[in-house]
Amino acid sequence: NAGVTQTPKFQVLKTGQSMTLQCAQDMNHNSMYWYRQDPGMGLRLIYYSASEGTTDKGEVPNGYNVSRLNKREFSLRLESAAPSQTSVYFCASIPHGSGANVLTFGAGSRLTVL
Amino acid sequence: KNQVEQSPQSLIILEGKNCTLQCNYTVSPFSNLRWYKQDTGRGPVSLTIMTFSENTKSNGRYTATLDADTKQSSLHITASQLSDSASYICVVSGQAGTALIFGKGTTLSVSS
Repeated sequence: NAGVTQTPKFQVLKTGQSMTLQCAQDMNHNSMYWYRQDPGMGLRLIYYSASEGTTDKGEVPNGYNVSRLNKREFSLRLESAAPSQTSVYFCASIPHGSGANVLTFGAGSRLTVL
Repeated sequence: KNQVEQSPQSLIILEGKNCTLQCNYTVSPFSNLRWYKQDTGRGPVSLTIMTFSENTKSNGRYTATLDADTKQSSLHITASQLSDSASYICVVSGQAGTALIFGKGTTLSVSS
């Protein structure tokens, strides 16, 4: 049972390059999330998808786009990477909504933008 | 504004000692509070969840408390081990449909 799988684990980009972070879950969860984690800032929500076919902005969506490809997959795209997007990105999923359900996180993707 | 504040920011203790981490929140209305443990280079993993009516809950050497009146929670770690070295994150959930509010975490280092 893999849980939440993120790829790639590490990536170095130059300013202006684009890339897509992939996330897949095999738990049949409805809701999926993308967070970024920076030193001293904690986890901040970028985008989320409450269910297949829907996406919504979180706290820090600027510079990112997402696609909920199907129930399993939720990708995060940086169209023109900036040094401020250097961070560790976490994908997470939850059965439905928030409430008492526990988030299952992926192992993270460390992105460096030069 | 809904906020979650954790203290201390970081903590160093000797192996075998106890420690207590604090979480204060202003989220209202309140649904539940969850403590996560995040090992270096890994994603957070849930330790325990506290709902409005619960005061204390244990998970092995971890004991969480909640005072919903003062909006405070603590995570007590007993007889610490080297493997307890991690970041501990407090996450508060409001009523259904509202966003999860994350604290910035407490980094615990256990040394031998």
